[in-house]
Amino acid sequence: DGGITQSPKYLFRKEGQNVTLSCEQNLNHDAMYWYRQDPGQGLRLIYYSQIVNDFQKGDIAEGYSVSREKKESFPLTVTSAQKNPTAFYLCASSTGQGRTDTQYFGPGTRLTVL
Amino acid sequence: AQSVAQPEDQVNVAEGNPLTVKCTYSVSGNPYLFWYVQYPNRGLQFLLKYITGDNLVKGSYGFEAEFNKSQTSFHLKKPSALVSDSALYFCAVRDGNTGFQKLVFGTGTRLLVSP
Repeated sequence: DGGITQSPKYLFRKEGQNVTLSCEQNLNHDAMYWYRQDPGQGLRLIYYSQIVNDFQKGDIAEGYSVSREKKESFPLTVTSAQKNPTAFYLCASSTGQGRTDTQYFGPGTRLTVL
Repeated sequence: AQSVAQPEDQVNVAEGNPLTVKCTYSVSGNPYLFWYVQYPNRGLQFLLKYITGDNLVKGSYGFEAEFNKSQTSFHLKKPSALVSDSALYFCAVRDGNTGFQKLVFGTGTRLLVSP
């Protein structure tokens, strides 16, 4: 987990509310990613960013939004449009370059909708 | 599109015995393969990767993985399991074609090592 922090560790949301999950890295990585983990489904890519001020949708972007204003930060907002937001959210980063590019993960945020 | 299959939801092994966690993959180009481990309520920790070269890759905590191109497999192995190895293991693949290629994960295999 070293070098990538996520906050908060646990987050509770009422239906209809937007919430923002924080992800910060001090690894000087260009690329950052957001994944959603549900039991028995592995990890699914929500959004990714290869460079500051640029990001792309992943496989399950509906109901989520991101920004990448700083190299070290990639916050994820879970909007009220996300129909089933209860899940474990993982942020990752990598250099984004070369064949040996490897993603490293933060400790995760568990979001529960009440 | 690339894909990964982890055919076993759970693997049970006694401490001290060898362990194998299976993974098969499908990509159109050259496969770049990864293993990660996840402990409860924690993020994924990188174990090892295969990019090119020797088919046997050594990684962290005594784990190794064998790349088999003909069988499109990348099984994770350890000669002697520890109780502390009990965790959720993910195999992942990235297509080696040029340009950005996302990392695709399997559904995970839970390893349970009994004392």
